[in-house]
Amino acid sequence: DTAVSQTPKYLVTQMGNDKSIKCEQNLGHDTMYWYKQDSKKFLKIMFSYNNKELIINETVPNRFSPKSPDKAHLNLHINSLELGDSAVYFCASSQGEVSLWASPLHFGNGTRLTVT
Amino acid sequence: SQQGEEDPQALSIQEGENATMNCSYKTSINNLQWYRQNSGRGLVHLILIRSNEREKHSGRLRVTLDTSKKSSSLLITASRAADTASYFCATDNGGYSTLTFGKGTMLLVSP
Repeated sequence: DTAVSQTPKYLVTQMGNDKSIKCEQNLGHDTMYWYKQDSKKFLKIMFSYNNKELIINETVPNRFSPKSPDKAHLNLHINSLELGDSAVYFCASSQGEVSLWASPLHFGNGTRLTVT
Repeated sequence: SQQGEEDPQALSIQEGENATMNCSYKTSINNLQWYRQNSGRGLVHLILIRSNEREKHSGRLRVTLDTSKKSSSLLITASRAADTASYFCATDNGGYSTLTFGKGTMLLVSP
């Protein structure tokens, strides 16, 4: 059973389109994250949710909107896609917040987004 | 903002050799973690070391932490071809902070 699963694995779309990436975790964790990994493999935090509440929102364009319908799901919706949005997007989860609980992150296998 | 910087950026060794990767960071930390990423996959947690610890072991992995130098090292002993991956260090700063990752070291272990 996959612990953190993301769909789709690949997403190819044109500039200006709107797309969503879904994430589900079956670990019973209460904290979920979205990270963006660029072509140089640099990973940057985008959002963090704890018990469906947004707790971290880095300087991400407001074209990116996360939505957490319940503790096990954190979806990412992107409006008006731009070329610079091309990257691999990773969903992750942890039990409790990383620093307070010294928790490791469990990652999904990523969604490779290509904007043409 | 980026916190950890791994060194070297790439490392190529033969099976059976040891691999050492270093991580330096800029601000004080609460915990430091190491992750592995195989090509086309998500990151996998390897080991966590707290700021009040100096050394930790897990199987063939040994992690050290020197908070006075703001640096950590990951040693993989008796490497195998299956250890080929990118390795990242990640730090948190306490409170409600999340993990900040370095740029990673690409390790290639040749049979």
